[in-house]
Amino acid sequence: AQKITQTQPGMFVQEKEAVTLDCTYDTSDPSYGLFWYKQPSSGEMIFLIYQGSYDQQNATEGRYSLNFQKARKSANLVISASQLGDSAMYFCAMREGGDNDMRFGAGTRLTVKP
Amino acid sequence: SQTIHQWPATLVQPVGSPLSLECTVEGTSNPNLYWYRQAAGRGLQLLFYSVGIGQISSEVPQNLSASRPQDRQFILSSKKLLLSDSGFYLCAWSAGSTAGNTIYFGEGSWLTVV
Repeated sequence: AQKITQTQPGMFVQEKEAVTLDCTYDTSDPSYGLFWYKQPSSGEMIFLIYQGSYDQQNATEGRYSLNFQKARKSANLVISASQLGDSAMYFCAMREGGDNDMRFGAGTRLTVKP
Repeated sequence: SQTIHQWPATLVQPVGSPLSLECTVEGTSNPNLYWYRQAAGRGLQLLFYSVGIGQISSEVPQNLSASRPQDRQFILSSKKLLLSDSGFYLCAWSAGSTAGNTIYFGEGSWLTVV
């Protein structure tokens, strides 16, 4: 069963505007971690932000923030003040307690327009 | 700080030839190590993971194999490549297997089997 769902294959945003990338997840484990990665055209997977299932506050890292809605099982990534360099694939991922793997969504391709 | 490197970055190999991709992690000890594959336009698929020297777990049956001869070295091999082995291969590491352990990726290796 699909554990991570990213429903937006592609998104466009104007430079300097904010954009939200959607992610929903499915788990019955009370302990889990949610992650977002950026993959530019070079291919490297760059870790952006982490949210723990027990964290009370939404995670933030610079221009990235994670809108964590536990009851809805969603973990949307918000990028503020978009830059041309933000154009890339973005992957949402989840890791359950004691799991040796991290489950990835299908990704969202973000294009920032000048 | 911890770093991870893998090589070669790009490889073009004929069908039936052998493969060796190497990955090294620096700045940490006893990491969990992973090999992922990403087919064109697809998400990541876990191939192998290792929690210690000589300990390899395979997630997907295939003609690939992995070895961990040293604590911070992880090697992906094949005796005879297939066309379907083409893809982008990513080595990764994490400090443990809990939900909060981030997985960090190397630069990736592009493999084209011709």
